[in-house]
Amino acid sequence: GENVEQHPSTLSVQEGDSAVIKCTYSDSASNYFPWYKQELGKRPQLIIDIRSNVGEKKDQRIAVTLNKTAKHFSLHITETQPEDSAVYFCAAMQLSGGGADGLTFGKGTHLIIQP
Amino acid sequence: GAVVSQHPSWVICKSGTSVKIECRSLDFQATTMFWYRQFPKQSLMLMATSNEGSKATYEQGVEKDKFLINHASLTLSTLTVTSAHPEDSSFYICSARDLLAGGPIETQYFGPGTRLLVL
Repeated sequence: GENVEQHPSTLSVQEGDSAVIKCTYSDSASNYFPWYKQELGKRPQLIIDIRSNVGEKKDQRIAVTLNKTAKHFSLHITETQPEDSAVYFCAAMQLSGGGADGLTFGKGTHLIIQP
Repeated sequence: GAVVSQHPSWVICKSGTSVKIECRSLDFQATTMFWYRQFPKQSLMLMATSNEGSKATYEQGVEKDKFLINHASLTLSTLTVTSAHPEDSSFYICSARDLLAGGPIETQYFGPGTRLLVL
């Protein structure tokens, strides 16, 4: 099955600086890579995702890059703000026609934005 | 947007009892729902895939006789933790995909989770 590694486990950055979280996956058949933000005790919220036919995707201060050859993808957050503090999870999945695939998550990164 | 609810939001029970958790898609039909478990300060682990009208598919290491899943309708899946023990204490989260909507089919919408504490 799929195995997703995520680093670092904790990341502390100054407000206004950029944050980068990296993930690798093992199954070359995976073709969908979402990133979730989870605040304490709450449900994961999708913040950005990318399919394997795209190398980069950006949404305002958030961007995701994908390197299929190396089987790794990264989350980039620029101009960080205090409300960005949360746990971020990467995930991987193989999209199929039946649509019946669950997500394999990384272990999470606790992002701390220092004021 | 697609909304998924869970009930109850938290439950405390005695060891040996069974607990049922409901997952509902409120404004869309979900032929497939997923059940995840999250221990404190850990990641979400996929337990099983719930298929409407058929048996659930369990991930390796998840006991199907302990975690009973029923997907009786297109908007409801239930997870029953049978003979619960303290080690089953965890945060259980369901998700669903809206395969009939006009938006991306890959997006999973998560429920708010159910916190289970077994004494």
